[in-house]
Amino acid sequence: AQTVTQSQPEMSVQEAETVTLSCTYDTSENNYYLFWYKQPPSRQMILVIRQEAYKQQNATENRFSVNFQKAAKSFSLKISDSQLGDTAMYFCAFLIQGAQKLVFGQGTRLTINP
Amino acid sequence: EAQVTQNPRYLITVTGKKLTVTCSQNMNHEYMSWYRQDPGLGLRQIYYSMNVEVTDKGDVPEGYKVSRKEKRNFPLILESPSPNQTSLYFCASSTQRGASPRFYNEQFFGPGTRLTVL
Repeated sequence: AQTVTQSQPEMSVQEAETVTLSCTYDTSENNYYLFWYKQPPSRQMILVIRQEAYKQQNATENRFSVNFQKAAKSFSLKISDSQLGDTAMYFCAFLIQGAQKLVFGQGTRLTINP
Repeated sequence: EAQVTQNPRYLITVTGKKLTVTCSQNMNHEYMSWYRQDPGLGLRQIYYSMNVEVTDKGDVPEGYKVSRKEKRNFPLILESPSPNQTSLYFCASSTQRGASPRFYNEQFFGPGTRLTVL
């Protein structure tokens, strides 16, 4: 069975700092996708970034980037120049190619302080 | 606007009173899923559907039913709700077809339904 582990239940940084959220996963599959979702107080699930396992290049979306280490089964999210609006719960998630079940980690509650 | 809608957004009910949470998507997605979110556990899949009349169990299906009679709708039914079903519920849809491969397998989530069973 696939599992996703986020070892940091809570994190807090000052505005404009860089913060890294960690995520590890366990799978025997070779073709899969990894995602980071943001859940602000509105509870809406918002996709932040995605990574296809077959791509060696790390995905980036503006201030958000990932460090994907396939051999280590690690998928961390880096937020640069953090903003107050980044305050949210962040979930790491895993999807096997061809399947339709996202497996989520426990979440990391991130607070950006002014 | 492409979206997934859920109703109701909030519901307080009592043990044993049947309820239905509706979900609808306007993106012609073939796949739809229900998840529940609980503190410390993240989101867990309850049921999913690969197309009309095709449904299957996820990780936590006990106490829930679903149906997929139309492509756009995927209601979640609690025949006899119990307090341990108090949770935040999300419907999601996705596709592996269409002109935009970059969206393949991306799950589009509804706004969530906060359910409290007393």
